[in-house]
Formats: sequence, C-alpha cells, structure tokens
Amino acid sequence: NAGVTQTPKFQVLKTGQSMTLQCAQDMNHEYMSWYRQDPGMGLRLIHYSVGAGITDQGEVPNGYNVSRSTTEDFPLRLLSAAPSQTSVYFCASRTRQGAEQYFGPGTRLTVT
Amino acid sequence: DAKTTQPPSMDCAEGRAANLPCNHSTISGNEYVYWYRQIHSQGPQYIIHGLKNNETNEMASLIITEDRKSSTLILPHATLRDTAVYYCIVRPDSGNTGKLIFGQGTTLQVKP
Repeated sequence: NAGVTQTPKFQVLKTGQSMTLQCAQDMNHEYMSWYRQDPGMGLRLIHYSVGAGITDQGEVPNGYNVSRSTTEDFPLRLLSAAPSQTSVYFCASRTRQGAEQYFGPGTRLTVT
Repeated sequence: DAKTTQPPSMDCAEGRAANLPCNHSTISGNEYVYWYRQIHSQGPQYIIHGLKNNETNEMASLIITEDRKSSTLILPHATLRDTAVYYCIVRPDSGNTGKLIFGQGTTLQVKP
C-alpha cells in the first residue's frame, strides 16, 4: 500500500489564485481529514469526511471547499488564495473503527 | 471534547526513559486519551491510546491515573530519533467522526 499520498509537495500561489490540493489513500478508509499547520503551531482541522458523499467543517473551514466523490480521494480547494493561507497542509485517513489515523507527507503552500 | 495541557518542552538523555505528562481534568467517561508525535516536517504518527487501563505497545507505555484527569507517556529507552513534538489528545470513540483536535504539544529533545 502507498498509504496516504498528497500532491503537490510544494506550491507557490499569488493572492487571488485558486488551486486544488490532492489527497488519496489506498487503504479503503472511510474517514478522511484535512489539517493545516502554521509555523510553531499544532495542527488545525479544516474539513473532514466520514464517507463518500459526506463532508463537514472543522475548526478553520473558511476559504476552503472539499468534496468526497470516491472513498479514495479527498481534494481540498482553495477558492481565492490569501497570504493567511500560507501553511503546511496535511491529509489523514482511518477506518471507521480504527484508532490510528494515518497522515500524508504534507503540502507546503506559500501565497504571495 | 476535553482540552489537554502539556509542558511546552522537555529534555531527556539518550538511553533514559522519557516521561511526558498530560493533564486532561475535564475528560468525560467516554473519551479516550491518544498520543501522536510529529518528527520535524513530517506528518504526525500515532503512538498509543487508552481509556482507563495502562497500555503498552512496541513504541511506548501509557499510564492513566485512576481519576483519569492526567496521563503519562513513557518512552522506555529514548533515542535521538525520538526527538519530536508529542501531542496528547482527548477524543470520544463512540460515533466519532475521526476528528483529532491538536494542541501545542511537548517538544521532546533527546540529547546524547
């Protein structure tokens, strides 16, 4: 298994641009989540999904959209990038009963 | 979800046991204690979790006080590779949505 994969690894955007961060997992996990981590801070939950077709907001959802059309994929869309969205973004997944959440390697996003 | 309090940083000598404390005085009866760690720039990694009994796995031991208001993560023989930020998280398991709410964590520095 590849586990949780994220693309791209690095991205630079200009203010106002939009883009999609990709996340995929090949473990057939029902639950998937997106987090952001600002320098020197812990992770903050952006959006999460308990299964295909179901998504919900986390702590800091503003400026981001998600969808979950398949079990494997959970893309995160930045609608109009702002410098405040400069961060490292982590995707995670787990099974419905599982205690362990698996994290991807992260995407480093800079908005200028 | 209950909040947790951890010391911001700790040092440990290589080969010695590292004992990382966590206070969760408002924990509810159905909430579990989880520990994750994040080695520099990587995605967080699950370590261990428990409800009220002490737990041990190949990575660590988790000691939860009888009143469940605090816990200690023990790395029995710390190595330089254990240098990381350690997060203590409290979360209900029944009907949970996979959300993990991260605090600031404890930065553990293992020194030679």
